[in-house]
Amino acid sequence: KQEVTQIPAALSVPEGENLVLNCSFTDSAIYNLQWFRQDPGKGLTSLLLIQSSQREQTSGRLNASLDKSSGRSTLYIAASQPGDSATYLCAVPNTGNQFYFGTGTSLTVIP
Amino acid sequence: GAGVSQSPSNKVTEKGKDVELRCDPISGHTALYWYRQSLGQGLEFLIYFQGNSAPDKSGLPSDRFSAERTGGSVSTLTIQRTQQEDSAVYLCASSLARGNTEAFFGQGTRLTVV
Repeated sequence: KQEVTQIPAALSVPEGENLVLNCSFTDSAIYNLQWFRQDPGKGLTSLLLIQSSQREQTSGRLNASLDKSSGRSTLYIAASQPGDSATYLCAVPNTGNQFYFGTGTSLTVIP
Repeated sequence: GAGVSQSPSNKVTEKGKDVELRCDPISGHTALYWYRQSLGQGLEFLIYFQGNSAPDKSGLPSDRFSAERTGGSVSTLTIQRTQQEDSAVYLCASSLARGNTEAFFGQGTRLTVV
């Protein structure tokens, strides 16, 4: 069974800092990896999707990398803003019918 | 529609009552997922639909839970004889196809069983 781990569980940074969130998974037979953010009491918002054949994907201040062979992905957030405060989740679908989610990183950006 | 729509957004029900949660996926998306998120917990897979194929019900926690998807579009998750431990946010997601396409989530239904 796929296991997905996210480190750190919580992170607090001052506004303007660059930061990295980590996601690791145990089964490298994945179709892709997707990063989401979840605001309190809300659903999940898709941030980035990296296909298994890709190494990197960028959207605005966000950059996600994928190293499938080592079972790792990172989400880099540049010039963090208070509006980036949320829980960030990574998810991987594999040969089954579900997405396996990490436990999330709770990010607080302090103004 | 523009995104995945779920209704109601909030539902308070008495223990023992039945509830129905609705999910309207993005038009054209053949894959539909239900997940549950309990307070402070991760996302728990419940059920998966792909087109007209038989659903994958392997995540349903008990026989009080059932779901259907009519016409390959709207899905309804039904919980019978609700219990307090059913209190959670129920999230629905859809994607163009299984696996290698982006999944989009609705805003969820917050269910509280009192």
